[in-house]
Amino acid sequence: GESVGLHLPTLSVQEGDNSIINCAYSNSASDYFIWYKQESGKGPQFIIDIRSNMDKRQGQRVTVLLNKTVKHLSLQIAATQPGDSAVYFCAEKNMRFGAGTRLTVKP
Amino acid sequence: NAGVTQTPKFQVLKTGQSMTLQCAQDMNHNSMYWYRQDPGMGLRLIYYSASEGTTDKGEVPNGYNVSRLNKREFSLRLESAAPSQTSVYFCASRPDLGVRVEQYFGPGTRLTVT
Repeated sequence: GESVGLHLPTLSVQEGDNSIINCAYSNSASDYFIWYKQESGKGPQFIIDIRSNMDKRQGQRVTVLLNKTVKHLSLQIAATQPGDSAVYFCAEKNMRFGAGTRLTVKP
Repeated sequence: NAGVTQTPKFQVLKTGQSMTLQCAQDMNHNSMYWYRQDPGMGLRLIYYSASEGTTDKGEVPNGYNVSRLNKREFSLRLESAAPSQTSVYFCASRPDLGVRVEQYFGPGTRLTVT
């Protein structure tokens, strides 16, 4: 069946470094993806989205890259801060979520 | 504007008991969703409602029922709770399809079935 998955369940980075969280999907027809951030004890919150007619989209300190050829997308966080510590999910339009990557930022 | 609200925040049930999880949104969204989140498994869709009066099964509907009471409210019912239903439950809503179609999530209900 169709799936959306992240490559690493955990990622630990030093404060100030850049973080890269990866996600793969199986359905080549998927045309819209969303990244969510979930802090401890809270529901997921929207970070950034990207449509399949784009390769790259930038927000504040975040960039999402989409490679349709290999069905892969990544979330890059620049100058990672302690407040970025959370679980990050990629999701595709039809409400399929990956398992999440827990990002820990070391001071 | 409270967004998506859920009650209760925590609940402990004995096997076989029933309960209803409540969800409401004040953003005038048509679509509403119920997910469960288990450790290491991300969010799995239980049921969703594309509009008032309609409901559809998601990935893991067994053991649950839903009611879309009106545009604001979407409830999830466990008729006979089982330990396998111990999880964190999230309700979400989504605006009509447009430029952005992200979901807005409530704070979750942590349910333990003993």
